[in-house]
Amino acid sequence: QSALTQPASVSGSPGQSITISCTGTSSDVGGYNYVSWYQQHPGKAPKLMIYDVSNRPSGVSNRFSGSKSGNTASLTISGLQAEDEADYYCSSYTSSSTLLVFGGGTKLTVL
Amino acid sequence: QVQLVQSGAEVKKPGSSVKVSCKASGGTFSSYAISWVRQAPGQGLEWMGGIIPIFGTANYAQKFQGRVTITADESTSTAYMELSSLRSEDTAVYYCARAMITFGGVIVIYNWFDPWGQGTLVTVSS
Repeated sequence: QSALTQPASVSGSPGQSITISCTGTSSDVGGYNYVSWYQQHPGKAPKLMIYDVSNRPSGVSNRFSGSKSGNTASLTISGLQAEDEADYYCSSYTSSSTLLVFGGGTKLTVL
Repeated sequence: QVQLVQSGAEVKKPGSSVKVSCKASGGTFSSYAISWVRQAPGQGLEWMGGIIPIFGTANYAQKFQGRVTITADESTSTAYMELSSLRSEDTAVYYCARAMITFGGVIVIYNWFDPWGQGTLVTVSS
């Protein structure tokens, strides 16, 4: 069982917006602004999409945005495109001895 | 532009050890940290630990304490992850990634990872 909880799957049609949640505790997501999000296509290495809750690395589409409220962080993808279909993982620093935790991952299907 | 290239796939017997390498090019190797993350077949990502080459200090997730050793060779810009006492559950793709770190007092905070290596499949089977 992952330390951060994500929905197993979400889906949306092209052009729509979806949001993926990532729920932790005050020891991780809620206590620090060290939440990041990764996109992983099948057979590929993960790619950083959002860091420090809401910052986008250079080259990442502005259709991707991040936010946080309490112990839950969220990734929103607007204007869904077929190429967005992938697995998405959140991660956070944790004050526990694990030091860094990932969510279990969410499979995004573009209908 | 930093690029990370990992060593090739390995097949190991239970109880043995494996050492995976991660060679960096571009950027200044000693100016950033390297982390290792693994992914079992069909499963999610799991952080194992990381190292700050310029300090030579490594941090490990508690789950792997005593079984994993992460090192770095600045002369060749290469980081290594050695996992011992292998069991079938260690079968996974192992990734290295450049890590952004922050210091919270004396605590090293591994924050986000970019870029990632291509991954190394380690299969543990008798």
